[in-house]
Amino acid sequence: QIQLVQSGPELKKPGESVKISCKASGYTFTDYAMHWVKQAPGKGLKWMGWINTYTGKPTYADDFKGRFVFSLEASASTANLQISNLKNEDTATYFCARDGVYYGLLGGWGQGVMVTVSS
Amino acid sequence: DIQMTQSPASLSASLEEIVTITCQASQNIGNWLAWYQQKPGKSPQLLIYGTTSLADGVPSRFSGSRSGTQYSLKISRLQVEDIGIYYCQQASSTPYTFGAGTKLELK
Repeated sequence: QIQLVQSGPELKKPGESVKISCKASGYTFTDYAMHWVKQAPGKGLKWMGWINTYTGKPTYADDFKGRFVFSLEASASTANLQISNLKNEDTATYFCARDGVYYGLLGGWGQGVMVTVSS
Repeated sequence: DIQMTQSPASLSASLEEIVTITCQASQNIGNWLAWYQQKPGKSPQLLIYGTTSLADGVPSRFSGSRSGTQYSLKISRLQVEDIGIYYCQQASSTPYTFGAGTKLELK
């Protein structure tokens, strides 16, 4: 069955960078896009964008342009999210989620990675 | 961007009760509407997609419907395991947007 296993929690200082991974198994990695979703503590879900796992082309929501980078290690069936110049407001859980039967349907989710930004 | 206005924000219901959650889209999204359930400390899980289709393994007490740009999730007989937060999401156009969530609790 589909599995998305994300890397572990991170504690960072403002201005630092972080890289989160999402390793997929149970399906052909390049057949489905990968999305990223942010959930701040006690808040709702916010779609960050997606990456075409066949071409490697990323698409970012407006609020996530500039400091956020989606990338792939396709040979390892892994999608990555890198956040640079971390700010306090980046403190959140970040989920990867695989496309479902149609574009934008989040059919399978990783367990989430808690990133805490604190001085 | 398409706004998804979800109501109520919270809901307290008894076991076996019928529960309905609604989402109003700010423009036409057709049937590109999904519902997710998130239990405390867990990742969201897909419940319903394409407005009315149940995801694999989802009990038949869950159902989805649409009237114009208003979408509804109905739980026909509330069970203990249904407690959590429910989100709607539109996949008609990017940025894909979620409703603010409905926290469902037991009375």
